[in-house]
Amino acid sequence: GQNIDQPTEMTATEGAIVQINCTYQTSGFNGLFWYQQHAGEAPTFLSYNVLDGLEEKGRFSSFLSRSKGYSYLLLKELQMKDSASYLCAVLMNTGFQKLVFGTGTRLLVSP
Amino acid sequence: GAGVSQSPRYKVAKRGQDVALRCDPISGHVSLFWYQQALGQGPEFLTYFQNEAQLDKSGLPSDRFFAERPEGSVSTLKIQRTQQEDSAVYLCASSPGGPTTDTQYFGPGTRLTVL
Repeated sequence: GQNIDQPTEMTATEGAIVQINCTYQTSGFNGLFWYQQHAGEAPTFLSYNVLDGLEEKGRFSSFLSRSKGYSYLLLKELQMKDSASYLCAVLMNTGFQKLVFGTGTRLLVSP
Repeated sequence: GAGVSQSPRYKVAKRGQDVALRCDPISGHVSLFWYQQALGQGPEFLTYFQNEAQLDKSGLPSDRFFAERPEGSVSTLKIQRTQQEDSAVYLCASSPGGPTTDTQYFGPGTRLTVL
């Protein structure tokens, strides 16, 4: 089976930095996505990593270590609007883009 | 252009009723996916279309679930004889290409409540 683990909930303060971890054990791997999902809304794309290392995109960065089955999403200069669920998803190498999602991490940013 | 749209946004059904959920993908997108998202969980894959061909339906929970995309654009997910465990948000996503690593773009979902 596929196993993707993320913390259920995290809290942080406005202006701070937070790191959301994701570990995975899957039967295939063709990259890892991070999505943001506000309550009642569609998941929106944040990042995609297929090679080891850090990808930086503005306030958000994502890291991947394939040998360790580990990724993290780093959010800097937190804003209230960053309060949302963050979904880690492994892209399986099934011949099409089959995504297997973790349960999501609910981030609450407080003033 | 417009993003992925889904209708209805909310659906309440009595147990045993049939429901049909519609997805309008981004125009020109080849790939279309359906996911089921239970409360507090991540989305779970249901089925995949490449144009009008349903290439994978391994995630459909039972034979009460049926999906189609007859003209390679709009898709409908049908659930027959709904049960309470079918209550969830049903998400549709589309992506431009076929078997690639293109990003999937999600619609807002249909929240189905079965009473």
